[in-house]
Amino acid sequence: AQTVTQSQPEMSVQEAETVTLSCTYDTSESDYYLFWYKQPPSRQMILVIRQEAYKQQNATENRFSVNFQKAAKSFSLKISDSQLGDAAMYFCAYRGSGANSKLTFGKGITLSVRP
Amino acid sequence: DVKVTQSSRYLVKRTGEKVFLECVQDMDHENMFWYRQDPGLGLRLIYFSYDVKMKEKGDIPEGYSVSREKKERFSLILESASTNQTSMYLCASSDSGTGDYEQYFGPGTRLTVT
Repeated sequence: AQTVTQSQPEMSVQEAETVTLSCTYDTSESDYYLFWYKQPPSRQMILVIRQEAYKQQNATENRFSVNFQKAAKSFSLKISDSQLGDAAMYFCAYRGSGANSKLTFGKGITLSVRP
Repeated sequence: DVKVTQSSRYLVKRTGEKVFLECVQDMDHENMFWYRQDPGLGLRLIYFSYDVKMKEKGDIPEGYSVSREKKERFSLILESASTNQTSMYLCASSDSGTGDYEQYFGPGTRLTVT
């Protein structure tokens, strides 16, 4: 079974600084998808960024980028120029390549942003 | 924009009551999911459905059942609510045709069982 590990329960970053959130996963599959979801306080969970395992290039979405290390099974999220609105809970998630594969989530990390 | 709505944001029920949590999506998605979210445990999948009248158990189905009579609606049922089912419940949907695999989430229902 696939597992997703987010070992840091909490992190804090100064506004305008850069922060990296860690995620590791375990799988025997060669083709899969990885996601970072953001859950702001009392608001809906939204997708931040997605990475297909067959792509060597790291995904980027504006201030958000990932460091995908397939051999190490590591998938970290870097947030540049942190803003107060980035304060949220962030979940790393894994999905296999099968048509009916499920998402497996990590336990999440709470990110606070200091003004 | 995809919209996933859940019938209640907050719900308080008594032990032993039958509880219905409703989820509706407006994007004609085939796939729908029910999760519970607890501090320190992340999101855990309860049940999911890939088509109308079809359901599959997730990782923690005990004490729950589901119903999907229409494509846009997926209901979670607690047959006899217990205090250990106090939690945040999240519904999600996704499209199986595009290979997108992104799940779109509802706002959640915070259920308290007393």
